[in-house]
Amino acid sequence: SQQGEEDPQALSIQEGENATMNCSYKTSINNLQWYRQNSGRGLVHLILIRSNEREKHSGRLRVTLDTSKKSSSLLITASRAADTASYFCATDGLSGSARQLTFGSGTQLTVLP
Amino acid sequence: NAGVTQTPKFQVLKTGQSMTLQCAQDMNHNSMYWYRQDPGMGLRLIYYSASEGTTDKGEVPNGYNVSRLNKREFSLRLESAAPSQTSVYFCASSHAGTGGAKTQYFGPGTRLLVL
Repeated sequence: SQQGEEDPQALSIQEGENATMNCSYKTSINNLQWYRQNSGRGLVHLILIRSNEREKHSGRLRVTLDTSKKSSSLLITASRAADTASYFCATDGLSGSARQLTFGSGTQLTVLP
Repeated sequence: NAGVTQTPKFQVLKTGQSMTLQCAQDMNHNSMYWYRQDPGMGLRLIYYSASEGTTDKGEVPNGYNVSRLNKREFSLRLESAAPSQTSVYFCASSHAGTGGAKTQYFGPGTRLLVL
């Protein structure tokens, strides 16, 4: 079963608006990562947040992590048409599969010009 | 640097045929992974290789075999393809180390259709 689940499954916004995607997971983690996938392409890493961090920024991206609720959010500010893509969260495990990532089913973001 | 490369880009097979998907990375990464992605779903791990000379099963290994040929190359083999193996296959690589999973770098994918 999937460790991470994104919400919503699909999101459509106007250019310039902010987009927020959420991820929930089931077991304790070392870190949580967000990836982006353009249509027909491979995944590209966006940001990694460790379990002892609560918030992290990278350009127009802001990621939060709440380990007590086992959830994370990805905020894209001032969205652009080029941000149209699928976004996936991925989590690892604390032991055994600690170096493996388990991916959620993704949020399909459409930014309308 | 080419990053992670995969061949072929697209393949059509008949049920029962075999094929090998090739993956190579030029980033000197120790760890390599094979995933499959089905429509509307995230990636599921088929096999991974934590370091040269080792391979381990992931979430969905049945029907597949892998070979870590050397540090650069990690191949995925379908011995007898089935329609359920129609999917997009991604190879990825990462550094190894402690402190949890590292950033993974993905290839462009191989689209496989099994008739």
